[in-house]
Amino acid sequence: RKEVEQDPGPFNVPEGATVAFNCTYSNSASQSFFWYRQDCRKEPKLLMSVYSSGNEDGRFTAQLNRASQYISLLIRDSKLSDSATYLCVVNGGSSASKIIFGSGTRLSIRP
Amino acid sequence: ETGVTQSPTHLIKTRGQQVTLRCSSQSGHNTVSWYQQALGQGPQFIFQYYREEENGRGNFPPRFSGLQFPNYSSELNVNALELDDSALYLCASSLGVGQPQHFGDGTRLSIL
Repeated sequence: RKEVEQDPGPFNVPEGATVAFNCTYSNSASQSFFWYRQDCRKEPKLLMSVYSSGNEDGRFTAQLNRASQYISLLIRDSKLSDSATYLCVVNGGSSASKIIFGSGTRLSIRP
Repeated sequence: ETGVTQSPTHLIKTRGQQVTLRCSSQSGHNTVSWYQQALGQGPQFIFQYYREEENGRGNFPPRFSGLQFPNYSSELNVNALELDDSALYLCASSLGVGQPQHFGDGTRLSIL
């Protein structure tokens, strides 16, 4: 089993739709979690950190479920510009960092 | 505020050669991480440096080594290059361990 797993997609949804991605992780000691987006042939850009209490930034909502060991990203009212690959990141914590990226979920928004 | 910068942007090497990639961290950031990203895959963690000390390493062989300097800039060195080393190499800096990371544009390395 991979340490961090994401559904690779692609998700193809119409503009204005709501779409949700999950990301599961295997290390229960993981301490910090993030979502990044990556456009084709560009570097990953931080979308948001994920907190235990859940957090929202505009149309984006991130949640963490420690009991079931997954994080989620919800995008409401999706825009064409949301088309990208979404990467979840899990930091294994402890004294030595072990940062693990998921392989990404491709999202394509159609007009 | 200057972001993360990497050099060179592109590089072509042959098998068996050695390469050094460079990264300047964002102003105020003391932690630098290096990643290898193959086409269609997520970035794979190579190692992290915190205040000039290695602070974690992924599953990469010893021929991948690094340095962090007092100004928190960093180098990634790869010896005895193999064809499979062809990838995008990303550097990311952060305010500290476990903090959100900010990426440079990457170096595209091609091994012939």
